Amino acid sequence: KAGVTQTPRYLIKTRGQQVTLSCSPISGHRSVSWYQQTPGQGLQFLFEYFSETQRNKGNFPGRFSGRQFSNSRSEMNVSTLELGDSALYLCASSLSRKGPTNYGYTFGSGTRLTVV
Amino acid sequence: AQKVTQAQTEISVVEKEDVTLDCVYETRDTTYYLFWYKQPPSGELVFLIRRNSFDEQNEISGRYSWNFQKSTSSFNFTITASQVVDSAVYFCALSEYSSGSARQLTFGSGTQLTVLP
Repeated sequence: KAGVTQTPRYLIKTRGQQVTLSCSPISGHRSVSWYQQTPGQGLQFLFEYFSETQRNKGNFPGRFSGRQFSNSRSEMNVSTLELGDSALYLCASSLSRKGPTNYGYTFGSGTRLTVV
Repeated sequence: AQKVTQAQTEISVVEKEDVTLDCVYETRDTTYYLFWYKQPPSGELVFLIRRNSFDEQNEISGRYSWNFQKSTSSFNFTITASQVVDSAVYFCALSEYSSGSARQLTFGSGTQLTVLP
């Protein structure tokens, strides 16, 4: 059974550019969440999608956005990149909208974004 | 607001030693879930264990065991007979069950475990 797939694995962007990251959840999983991991702030929740709808959002500026497609694949977009956006972005999928309560989240290996 | 504290930043042990990772949490909810994840150098967060707030029974799973105590808001994790492959960053996480649906994980800052041969 394939795990959560995140692409690309590594990315280097210039300040001011925008970037799109992709996440393919485990087959049959309908909930996808995104987390940002930085040395300073640790792991922080970005947003969660279920059935193409954003269900929950963390405390991040509007430059961070996402969407989910009918096949549950999700993308997140960061516009007008800042140096502080350099981070490991992790995607997690879950079978149920109830997320970790019943089924737990399975995480991907992440996309490491470097903004220069 | 929910909060998870892992006071141990780094721990080093020699192979075959037992090691306990501490986790203290704060939440106002009566229903919540606690997790331990492991993050090897590859970056992927690997799910280890999950406990809900109604189940304080402590269990052992192979070399892993955990001690959940609501009275002290602690959820400690023990690795018995540690191995070099256990070297990783370990995260404790909390999810509140607000409005009947747990939506997000709040993570602690992590504990870097190094097991020396």
